[in-house]
Amino acid sequence: ILNVEQSPQSLHVQEGDSTNFTCSFPSSNFYALHWYRWETAKSPEALFVMTLNGDEKKKGRISATLNTKEGYSYLYIKGSQPEDSATYLCAFRTSGSARQLTFGSGTQLTVLP
Amino acid sequence: GAGVSQTPSNKVTEKGKYVELRCDPISGHTALYWYRQSLGQGPEFLIYFQGTGAADDSGLPNDRFFAVRPEGSVSTLKIQRTERGDSAVYLCASSSGTGVGEQFFGPGTRLTVL
Repeated sequence: ILNVEQSPQSLHVQEGDSTNFTCSFPSSNFYALHWYRWETAKSPEALFVMTLNGDEKKKGRISATLNTKEGYSYLYIKGSQPEDSATYLCAFRTSGSARQLTFGSGTQLTVLP
Repeated sequence: GAGVSQTPSNKVTEKGKYVELRCDPISGHTALYWYRQSLGQGPEFLIYFQGTGAADDSGLPNDRFFAVRPEGSVSTLKIQRTERGDSAVYLCASSSGTGVGEQFFGPGTRLTVL
């Protein structure tokens, strides 16, 4: 059974604050690590797919890093805005024939104006 | 272009009833996935289709759950004799099946079993 953990479970920050969350995953049989942003009543939105150790990805104010050897990824949000409020999910895909994603339980971010 | 769509968006049923949940994937995507998200947890894998066939159904919790994709496009998840524990958000995702296999999700169907 693959174990993907995210911390913290929830987070409240003030508008303008920068924040980061952690995703830990198995360090063996790594294929890819996905980050999704999920707002209530909407589809989970793909943020990043990361495949290489040391990968850093950036999309606007959001960035992510990947360490496959130790099994963790960080998601950073710079200058949080109320519209960043959502649940952020990471998902691990193992190498081999299995194609499904194993998700963490998410970090629920609330950005207060 | 059109994303993944799911119908209905909400479904309320009584214990013991049969339900069908529908997923329309992105046009041309050969891979289709069903996941289930229970309260306080991340989405959990149920079943994966490559084309018309179920390539991996190891996540289906028991034989009350069944899914089909007869023409390799639309898929239907069928739940017989629903139980209160089946209440969850059912998510569908599709993928082109190539490269890293990025999965694009629909908005989900929220199933409530009374």
